[in-house]
Amino acid sequence: AQSVSQHNHHVILSEAASLELGCNYSYGGTVNLFWYVQYPGQHLQLLLKYFSGDPLVKGIKGFEAEFIKSKFSFNLRKPSVQWSDTAEYFCAVNAHESSYKLIFGSGTRLLVRP
Amino acid sequence: DSGVTQTPKHLITATGQRVTLRCSPRSGDLSVYWYQQSLDQGLQFLIQYYNGEERAKGNILERFSAQQFPDLHSELNLSSLELGDSALYFCASSPRGKETQYFGPGTRLLVL
Repeated sequence: AQSVSQHNHHVILSEAASLELGCNYSYGGTVNLFWYVQYPGQHLQLLLKYFSGDPLVKGIKGFEAEFIKSKFSFNLRKPSVQWSDTAEYFCAVNAHESSYKLIFGSGTRLLVRP
Repeated sequence: DSGVTQTPKHLITATGQRVTLRCSPRSGDLSVYWYQQSLDQGLQFLIQYYNGEERAKGNILERFSAQQFPDLHSELNLSSLELGDSALYFCASSPRGKETQYFGPGTRLLVL
């Protein structure tokens, strides 16, 4: 069965600090990988996705993620965070074999101090 | 705005009651997914419909059911509600089911 682990449940950073959120998945086949963001009181928004090709993926708002197949990882990065990045971040995977249902990690709450 | 709409935004009801949550997918999307977000379980897949037919089921309780109508909107029916059903219910849509899923604003259900 597929599973997703996000190791950092809570992260607190100051503005301009660099961010890296870890995501590891467990699945033996081909997967699609996603990072979604949920701002306070809002719905899930897609930050970026990886289906195939260049393992370094750039998303919206300056975020990027790198797919490392050998490590089953898809870590999210941003070189300089802003107060407006305060949100909860979810890593997710899906696969053809499971009808593309999204399996989510437990989420990481990011607080950026101004 | 993702283009996915959900109604109502908030719902407060009592234990034992039945409610219906509605989702309209993005224009042209054939596939609708339902997810439940709760504090203890996180985000969990409930059920998927594709062009009116059930495609996949997750950890959906027998008290819950869903359907997708010919105009592609979907409804999630929750019956015999319990306190533990209080959660945020999201629907998401994608064109044919294998592409990126775009989420609606959710329905926040509170069972008292």
